[in-house]
Amino acid sequence: EAQVTQNPRYLITVTGKKLTVTCSQNMNHEYMSWYRQDPGLGLRQIYYSMNVEVTDKGDVPEGYKVSRKEKRNFPLILESPSPNQTSLYFCASKTPGEQFFGPGTRLTVL
Amino acid sequence: GENVEQHPSTLSVQEGDSAVIKCTYSDSASNYFPWYKQELGKGPQLIIDIRSNVGEKKDQRIAVTLNKTAKHFSLHITETQPEDSAVYFCAATMYNNNDMRFGAGTRLTVKP
Repeated sequence: EAQVTQNPRYLITVTGKKLTVTCSQNMNHEYMSWYRQDPGLGLRQIYYSMNVEVTDKGDVPEGYKVSRKEKRNFPLILESPSPNQTSLYFCASKTPGEQFFGPGTRLTVL
Repeated sequence: GENVEQHPSTLSVQEGDSAVIKCTYSDSASNYFPWYKQELGKGPQLIIDIRSNVGEKKDQRIAVTLNKTAKHFSLHITETQPEDSAVYFCAATMYNNNDMRFGAGTRLTVKP
């Protein structure tokens, strides 16, 4: 089954404790991205990757890092999480047209 | 860059009624307009899309219309059912471009 998977689905952590949210897709898509979803703001892009070893900032990259060492994986790294990063996060991969989203990771930073 | 506005932010309808969600975009170069449905606890899923070479597209109870001159497009859901309750997002982009901009979302509630 074609899908984008994310782990963990839920995470509660404390300020400053490094965390990684994993993302994997099995559709051989070159393009992957990370979004955060906040009430009233819709989906805002954090980082994207056009292909292996090619990443770039989206609209809200501050406080986040990414890496793309393999085509299928695109982890999101929060080196020192802060409460304003409490949000719902989605990983996505994309064909020239359609974008496929993962199930989401709800992150709470205390 | 592209800016997408979506209205209303919340919409409540009675089962069987129609629902309309409207979006405007700013970049006249955009030519691909998808709509996503996000059910509770899930990621957004594409439900219908339209490219700028057509003015309307229909798929069973859902339809999308596009007015390129006015730079707005709309989602129409007829004969709404409780399972249509979800958050709907519009988006705009150029078809082969990866920079897809989303509206803020509309929470649709269909009351039985």
